[in-house]
Amino acid sequence: DTAVSQTPKYLVTQMGNDKSIKCEQNLGHDTMYWYKQDSKKFLKIMFSYNNKELIINETVPNRFSPKSPDKAHLNLHINSLELGDSAVYFCASSVQAGTSGRVGEQYFGPGTRLTVT
Amino acid sequence: GENVEQHPSTLSVQEGDSAVIKCTYSDSASNYFPWYKQELGKRPQLIIDIRSNVGEKKDQRIAVTLNKTAKHFSLHITETQPEDSAVYFCAASNGASYDKVIFGPGTSLSVIP
Repeated sequence: DTAVSQTPKYLVTQMGNDKSIKCEQNLGHDTMYWYKQDSKKFLKIMFSYNNKELIINETVPNRFSPKSPDKAHLNLHINSLELGDSAVYFCASSVQAGTSGRVGEQYFGPGTRLTVT
Repeated sequence: GENVEQHPSTLSVQEGDSAVIKCTYSDSASNYFPWYKQELGKRPQLIIDIRSNVGEKKDQRIAVTLNKTAKHFSLHITETQPEDSAVYFCAASNGASYDKVIFGPGTSLSVIP
């Protein structure tokens, strides 16, 4: 199946721990994103990468560090987890502007529900 | 920075009635306006989008209108069905790069059978 996939789907951990979420897309897209969706359903962009290069960093705490080993993968590492980090994290990808395909549409992964206790 | 407002935050309609969700944006450079539907526990999925060179677009029971002068755009769902129940997000971005999409806060639509 062509899609955006994330692992794990659920993540329960204690305050202070370090955790990672992995994302992979096999759509051939050049741009990948991380979004945070809080309990009120607000969907807020955190990071955007284009061809492994960071292009958007939306004043996210330094505890969050994205890593893109290649354009099909964008992982998110979180250090020293806090209660306020509890949310659903969505990875997404899109076609780069100026290329063929449905430019602008974002394809979301299934989400990772992070609960910090 | 860009800000997208969305109203109402919740909306209940009877099955068969129409639903309208309205959004406004602040950045006059925005020229791409997608709408996403998120069912409970699922991922957001694009349902329709409009670019600034078009004032209206329709796809079966859903339609979107855009007023660039007033910086607002709307989603219209006709003949609503229970499966239309979901959270709907409007969004805006600069079509030159599409890299940064700003989402509205969402509208929770309930269609009552």
